[in-house]
Amino acid sequence: DAGVIQSPRHEVTEMGQEVTLRCKPISGHDYLFWYRQTMMRGLELLIYFNNNVPIDDSGMPEDRFSAKMPNASFSTLKIQPSEPRDSAVYFCASSSRQKMNTEAFFGQGTRLTVV
Amino acid sequence: AQSVTQLGSHVSVSEGALVLLRCNYSSSVPPYLFWYVQYPNQGLQLLLKYTTGATLVKGINGFEAEFKKSETSFHLTKPSAHMSDAAEYFCAVSLGGSNTGKLIFGQGTTLQVKP
Repeated sequence: DAGVIQSPRHEVTEMGQEVTLRCKPISGHDYLFWYRQTMMRGLELLIYFNNNVPIDDSGMPEDRFSAKMPNASFSTLKIQPSEPRDSAVYFCASSSRQKMNTEAFFGQGTRLTVV
Repeated sequence: AQSVTQLGSHVSVSEGALVLLRCNYSSSVPPYLFWYVQYPNQGLQLLLKYTTGATLVKGINGFEAEFKKSETSFHLTKPSAHMSDAAEYFCAVSLGGSNTGKLIFGQGTTLQVKP
């Protein structure tokens, strides 16, 4: 399996622009998670989905952030408008309920820089 | 509520020396515990996990950890450090079951290995 695939790996954008991060989970996994990593706050969960349905979005920082999962093999995290404080590494992870107690598998991350 | 505390943001050891990275957790229910490693500009890779059963768990690359309920600890050890072990290490806790991907992370410990 190719693992969790995220794109792009790096994104530089200007403040006020819309940014879309993409994630392809491992085939067969039914949970998908979006995490954000910053120096100040460390790794924090933003939102997660089960069977394409958002279950908990309490970690989404503001209404500028939105996430969708239109099908089992694709998810997006959108920031509109972006701000410099959104600069961070965003990770996508997936796991399978069919394999109880299994771990989450992480993608390589997208490093976002908002200037 | 759950939380994780990693003692020491930076640990430096000599090559061949014992590695000990400390992790304490707080959880109102039996925890599921994980250690992840992050190499520069990479995603998170699972080192080992404790879910149920044997409290001493062995992971990849010669690492192991022991779950001590009485001490609420899950310290990571390796008998002999190798230069390739230099990375950032994260301890994490989850509710387990189908929620193993919903992780609460510690702040991370950067391991430096000196020749």
